[in-house]
Amino acid sequence: NAGVTQTPKFQVLKTGQSMTLQCAQDMNHNSMYWYRQDPGMGLRLIYYSASEGTTDKGEVPNGYNVSRLNKREFSLRLESAAPSQTSVYFCASSETPYSGNTIYFGEGSWLTVV
Amino acid sequence: AQSVAQPEDQVNVAEGNPLTVKCTYSVSGNPYLFWYVQYPNRGLQFLLKYITGDNLVKGSYGFEAEFNKSQTSFHLKKPSALVSDSALYFCAVRGTSRSGGSYIPTFGRGTSLIVHP
Repeated sequence: NAGVTQTPKFQVLKTGQSMTLQCAQDMNHNSMYWYRQDPGMGLRLIYYSASEGTTDKGEVPNGYNVSRLNKREFSLRLESAAPSQTSVYFCASSETPYSGNTIYFGEGSWLTVV
Repeated sequence: AQSVAQPEDQVNVAEGNPLTVKCTYSVSGNPYLFWYVQYPNRGLQFLLKYITGDNLVKGSYGFEAEFNKSQTSFHLKKPSALVSDSALYFCAVRGTSRSGGSYIPTFGRGTSLIVHP
């Protein structure tokens, strides 16, 4: 029962470096999401993909890009990392973006930018 | 725009006592409401959701939540708290309209529940 799998679990980057967070789900879900979690801020949506072939900006997209590689995979790229991007990143998926479909989360990726 | 408020950053309760974690929401149209729990260094786990029907929703680990449309609230409850319930709890709302992306869920800031032995 893998569900939503994220890699890497932990990463330390230097300011200006780039990296990609990988996410894959095995539930045949159409919709996938990337959130960041910061103390006192709760979860904020970075980007989402309602279905394969589409991506849309969320609440905090600046400094990030995404790729919906196929139905299973949705990656998040930091092109030039900044200390403000130090956060915990969660990938999630749901069957569709509509109705009462439950969103399922990965275990998180802890990113530190120094 | 839709929003969720969790008015308490932290809730403290003694083991064996009932617990309530509060959530109020604002959304156009009928809401879909969710509760998630997050244990330290883990992802969010789904607890329960309200879609339609009975206002009292039962979920995992003995938790339940009551949907109150007039008060726009969806408080999480448990009759008898356990130390192992100590975690971070998130409420989320999802609208039923595609306009402005309101079908994308909005999460509250989270409430830390601490259950004392």
